[in-house]
Amino acid sequence: GAGVSQSPSNKVTEKGKDVELRCDPISGHTALYWYRQSLGQGLEFLIYFQGNSAPDKSGLPSDRFSAERTGGSVSTLTIQRTQQEDSAVYLCASSSRAGGDVGGGELFFGEGSRLTVL
Amino acid sequence: EDQVTQSPEALRLQEGESSSLNCSYTVSGLRGLFWYRQDPGKGPEFLFTLYSAGEEKEKERLKATLTKKESFLHITAPKPEDSATYLCAYLSGYALNFGKGTSLLVTP
Repeated sequence: GAGVSQSPSNKVTEKGKDVELRCDPISGHTALYWYRQSLGQGLEFLIYFQGNSAPDKSGLPSDRFSAERTGGSVSTLTIQRTQQEDSAVYLCASSSRAGGDVGGGELFFGEGSRLTVL
Repeated sequence: EDQVTQSPEALRLQEGESSSLNCSYTVSGLRGLFWYRQDPGKGPEFLFTLYSAGEEKEKERLKATLTKKESFLHITAPKPEDSATYLCAYLSGYALNFGKGTSLLVTP
């Protein structure tokens, strides 16, 4: 597609349930990032993929969070046993440049998945 | 500790009233200072990258500048459609670290 696509756009779940969020990056973009944005907070880095590998998972807040990427394309972020503090907008971004490269800061973001945990 | 701090948190301007947004940084080995714009309900949109002190970039009514301690986003004669949150960021490892942003409202 023309841009980064994320689904669902909105998800309401009950505390303790598992959720999966999907990101379809721009075709040909090898770098993929997940960020989280909470009300009143800045963008918080979660994980970086280069191809199917994740050289930087340092931002995942707990072992309830995991992510994978297959075929160098679609990525899924999974949150197990959701908690109310997981409520946020989860944003995916992709880039044609590898993370950390000069020029690698021009990221293309999707519109996000808004997660509400009741 | 590396960080960026943006000010003010919020800014209200009348249409045509020029102003500047500030991003002060303490980053060792800066590999670029980035500006993004974020509209409500959307993801951030890339505006500029600045690499070295003295560098300037322009796009329409926006001009970004960089010194050794801070970056400014100058908005000349803003229009209501310039209303958005403006974010600055730096590269840390593989990823961008963002400031908390300046929320700009331009009224007619």
